[in-house]
Amino acid sequence: QKEVEQNSGPLSVPEGAIASLNCTYSDRGSQSFFWYRQYSGKSPELIMSIYSNGDKEDGRFTAQLNKASQYVSLLIRDSQPSDSATYLCAAHEAGTYKYIFGTGTRLKVLA
Amino acid sequence: KAGVTQTPRYLIKTRGQQVTLSCSPISGHRSVSWYQQTPGQGLQFLFEYFSETQRNKGNFPGRFSGRQFSNSRSEMNVSTLELGDSALYLCASSPDNYEQYFGPGTRLTVT
Repeated sequence: QKEVEQNSGPLSVPEGAIASLNCTYSDRGSQSFFWYRQYSGKSPELIMSIYSNGDKEDGRFTAQLNKASQYVSLLIRDSQPSDSATYLCAAHEAGTYKYIFGTGTRLKVLA
Repeated sequence: KAGVTQTPRYLIKTRGQQVTLSCSPISGHRSVSWYQQTPGQGLQFLFEYFSETQRNKGNFPGRFSGRQFSNSRSEMNVSTLELGDSALYLCASSPDNYEQYFGPGTRLTVT
């Protein structure tokens, strides 16, 4: 059973701090990874995709991928209360048309 | 571009009944995936369609079925509803089965 694992949290950070969200995956063949943000009662919203080892930055968000360690992370700089949500990590399963989602990390940004 | 639309948004059914949910993908997107989201299990993959063909299926009983039409619109059907089928059903579309974009979901309650 291929899995994506995330700490469920909640992860609490003060406003303006850096929030660091982590995810590990079991399918060594996975090549594509995604971070989604889901507000309570809403559907997931794509924030970042990453396909290569290293960092990818988009505004206040940085995704990091380390395929050797099977580890993906998302950094949110200058965290705002509006960033409070559940963040879902997903991996594209190798050789299929299927995504495996983690159960999400709940982030709380304290004003 | 208009986003992914799902109808209906809310549905209440009785055990034993069947239900059909509809999804219209973003224009130009040919891949449509369906997920079930529950508080306990997170996002669980149901199936994926591309150009009217089911390319992958998750570990759900045969009561769950789907199809895709030539205009990429998709439907999923659940027959003989059980209480445990109460969930948020999400549809996601993708141009190339990489970055997926979710619709608002259909919240199904089975009583």
